[in-house]
Amino acid sequence: EVHLLESGGGLVQPGGSLRLSCAASGFTFTDYAMIWVRQAPGKGLEWVSTISVSGGRTYYPDSVKGRFTVSRDNSKNTQYLQMNSLRAEDTAVYYCAKDLGGDTGRNIFDFWGQGTLVTVSS
Amino acid sequence: DVQMTQSPSSLSAYVGDRVTITCRTSQSLTSHVNWYQQKTGKAPQLLIYAASSLQRGVPSRFSGGGSGTEFTLTISNLQPEDFATYYCQQTYSTPLTFGGGTKVEIK
Repeated sequence: EVHLLESGGGLVQPGGSLRLSCAASGFTFTDYAMIWVRQAPGKGLEWVSTISVSGGRTYYPDSVKGRFTVSRDNSKNTQYLQMNSLRAEDTAVYYCAKDLGGDTGRNIFDFWGQGTLVTVSS
Repeated sequence: DVQMTQSPSSLSAYVGDRVTITCRTSQSLTSHVNWYQQKTGKAPQLLIYAASSLQRGVPSRFSGGGSGTEFTLTISNLQPEDFATYYCQQTYSTPLTFGGGTKVEIK
């Protein structure tokens, strides 16, 4: 059974940093691209990042490019999201998701974790 | 960026009804659209991918259709567990974008 467990969320001040982790189990981690998606309180879904199987290719929307960095450790079946220069508008539940495809993925998110809340506030 | 416009934003229906949610896109996407269901306080779940392919384990009362700039999600014989918010998503180009959501409520 596929399981994705996010951790690392919490309260951080504007301008601060936070690193999220997503521990994966129940599938061959090295066969699939991985994704982060976020959801601000009461709002819709926003794609945050995609990382390829090898970790060599990463993709971001303009809203986080240059501030967020996704990485993965295939030996630990874990992906990470390093978030710097955080802003109030980054406040959201952050979901880790698995792509249906390998390499750089198919942008189809077939399994999701339960999410971790990040609150950016002074 | 590809804009995804869902309609309606909410609807009320009875158990047993057939409901259709529409997603209109700002450019032609061929069949590069997925649909997700999200229940309150839970993570989204994939229902349909590539416009009309049913994800493994999803009941057959869910179906997807359309191509180009208009896509639909249809739920036939609505069940109590189907009351949730539904999102479309395009996979055609980055940034990947979602529709604003359609909340399906009990009448």
